[in-house]
Amino acid sequence: GAVVSQHPSRVICKSGTSVKIECRSLDFQATTMFWYRQFPKKSLMLMATSNEGSKATYEQGVEKDKFLINHASLTLSTLTVTSAHPEDSSFYICSATRQGWSNGYTFGSGTRLTVV
Amino acid sequence: TQLLEQSPQFLSIQEGENLTVYCNSSSVFSSLQWYRQEPGEGPVLLVTVVTGGEVKKLKRLTFQFGDARKDSSLHITAAQPGDTGLYLCAGASGSGYSTLTFGKGTMLLVSP
Repeated sequence: GAVVSQHPSRVICKSGTSVKIECRSLDFQATTMFWYRQFPKKSLMLMATSNEGSKATYEQGVEKDKFLINHASLTLSTLTVTSAHPEDSSFYICSATRQGWSNGYTFGSGTRLTVV
Repeated sequence: TQLLEQSPQFLSIQEGENLTVYCNSSSVFSSLQWYRQEPGEGPVLLVTVVTGGEVKKLKRLTFQFGDARKDSSLHITAAQPGDTGLYLCAGASGSGYSTLTFGKGTMLLVSP
């Protein structure tokens, strides 16, 4: 149980275009989803916390207009990188949990974004 | 801001050796988790420790949570090449949906 599916696993886009990444909880209802960014051989950097039906809470230094997060249902959250630039190239990972779980953080398999 | 200091950041050892990874903080966590991540994949949960002084074993891996719930360690006995990966500790300060504070990770390379 507690499976999180992230799609796509890899995407290459042209500079200036937008890219949408999906994060789905397959067998549970995720009250909260988290979006992380990870640089090569580095740890995860939290970008934003998303609660179903409300606006995402962004970490300091993360541009909310550039990284649009939508959590419209208990099983789906999306991250849209708008007007992507090469410096946005990175590994993006989502995780999901459910209210009341003491250890219920399940991670997606990540999305490798390359902006050319 | 809660910080988790993880050490060492990189470890290269031979198959059969033992190793310990440390995770330290000045903050108290309600729980602490250890993850292992392979390149191009998301982190996979290894264990969650909740009680101060708790020790959990997972085959050749031993996890310990400090009495004050501020630090933790991961000990691997007789490391194997399959143990190679990025090990991450992460602390939670509240209920199940609080944000996780991640350590910087330990990149482990086990050579045959």
